[in-house]
Amino acid sequence: AQSVSQHNHHVILSEAASLELGCNYSYGGTVNLFWYVQYPGQHLQLLLKYFSGDPLVKGIKGFEAEFIKSKFSFNLRKPSVQWSDTAEYFCAVNAPGGADGLTFGKGTHLIIQP
Amino acid sequence: DADVTQTPRNRITKTGKRIMLECSQTKGHDRMYWYRQDPGLGLRLIYYSFDVKDINKGEISDGYSVSRQAQAKFSLSLESAIPNQTALYFCATSDQARGPDTQYFGPGTRLTVL
Repeated sequence: AQSVSQHNHHVILSEAASLELGCNYSYGGTVNLFWYVQYPGQHLQLLLKYFSGDPLVKGIKGFEAEFIKSKFSFNLRKPSVQWSDTAEYFCAVNAPGGADGLTFGKGTHLIIQP
Repeated sequence: DADVTQTPRNRITKTGKRIMLECSQTKGHDRMYWYRQDPGLGLRLIYYSFDVKDINKGEISDGYSVSRQAQAKFSLSLESAIPNQTALYFCATSDQARGPDTQYFGPGTRLTVL
């Protein structure tokens, strides 16, 4: 069975600070990796995804993530956060083909202070 | 994004009542999913359906049932609601033809069971 660990449940940063949110997964085979964002009161939106190829993927709103296979990690980064980045961030994984749906981490609540 | 809609958006009910949550999509996707979100636990998969005749249990299907009435509609039922089913419920879709791994989420239904 797959599992996803997000190390930071709550993160508070000031505007313009750099961001890195950790995500590790447990799965023995090839995986697809995702970061979703949930802004207050809204539904989940896809930030970025990794299926294969370049392990550094770029997503929307200046976010990027790096897949490190040897560490089973897919950390999310942003060089300079904005107040509008305040949201809940979820890392997720599934097996290629989408079988069994997505397995989510517990989420990281990010608060950006003006 | 109104491609995936959920009704109702909010519902308060009493223990023992039967509740149905509905999901409709205009994206033309063949796969549909139901998740529940609990604070500090992320999203967990309840049921998923790859087409009208293919329905599968997810991680936490006990106490729930589903119906795929058409490709565009996927309903979740709580036959006899209990307080620990209080949660935020999300429907999601994906498309086998375009690569099934990316899921698109509805706005969610907030269910409270008293």
